[in-house]
Amino acid sequence: EAGVAQSPRYKIIEKRQSVAFWCNPISGHATLYWYQQILGQGPKLLIQFQNNGVVDDSQLPKDRFSAERLKGVDSTLKIQPAKLEDSAVYLCASSLGSVGGNIQYFGAGTRLSVL
Amino acid sequence: QQQVKQSPQSLIVQKGGISIINCAYENTAFDYFPWYQQFPGKGPALLIAIRPDVSEKKEGRFTISFNKSAKQFSLHIMDSQPGDSATYFCAASSTGNQFYFGTGTSLTVIP
Repeated sequence: EAGVAQSPRYKIIEKRQSVAFWCNPISGHATLYWYQQILGQGPKLLIQFQNNGVVDDSQLPKDRFSAERLKGVDSTLKIQPAKLEDSAVYLCASSLGSVGGNIQYFGAGTRLSVL
Repeated sequence: QQQVKQSPQSLIVQKGGISIINCAYENTAFDYFPWYQQFPGKGPALLIAIRPDVSEKKEGRFTISFNKSAKQFSLHIMDSQPGDSATYFCAASSTGNQFYFGTGTSLTVIP
């Protein structure tokens, strides 16, 4: 079974530039999550999709971050414009459903460095 | 506000020893408590999880102990091996809601 795929693995940009990350979840998984993991901290949920609808985006900085999940499969997360504090690993995860207890499978993440 | 508090931040254990990582939470609505293992350059992977209706769950060398009244849970790794060296995260969630992760514990097992 293929895992959660993310690209790119690494990205270096200057502040105020834009960047986009891509995620392909495990086939058949209805729920998709984007997390931000700052060095030395645990993952923090940015946004959760159920199929192509948003379930929770309460911690997404909507003035600069946006995410979409067209057709309920792949998803993209965009940052525009980036700030220095956005330097982090962005993790995508998927699960069969959104009920607590559904195992979340994580991708390897995209490491973003904002200079 | 940190929903789940994890300690210690780092841990060094001799091979064959017991590694213990502790977590505490405040929200009594949480009903699912997983532990994730993360190797460098990889995403977190589910290790073991527990629900509050049991006080202990064991899978191989890994055991979760859960104290509902104290709102604490811990991960015990028996017979720790160098291959267990990784960062461990506890997490908590309530049904249908988001996961809250601890800050992580970096475990080093010395041969």
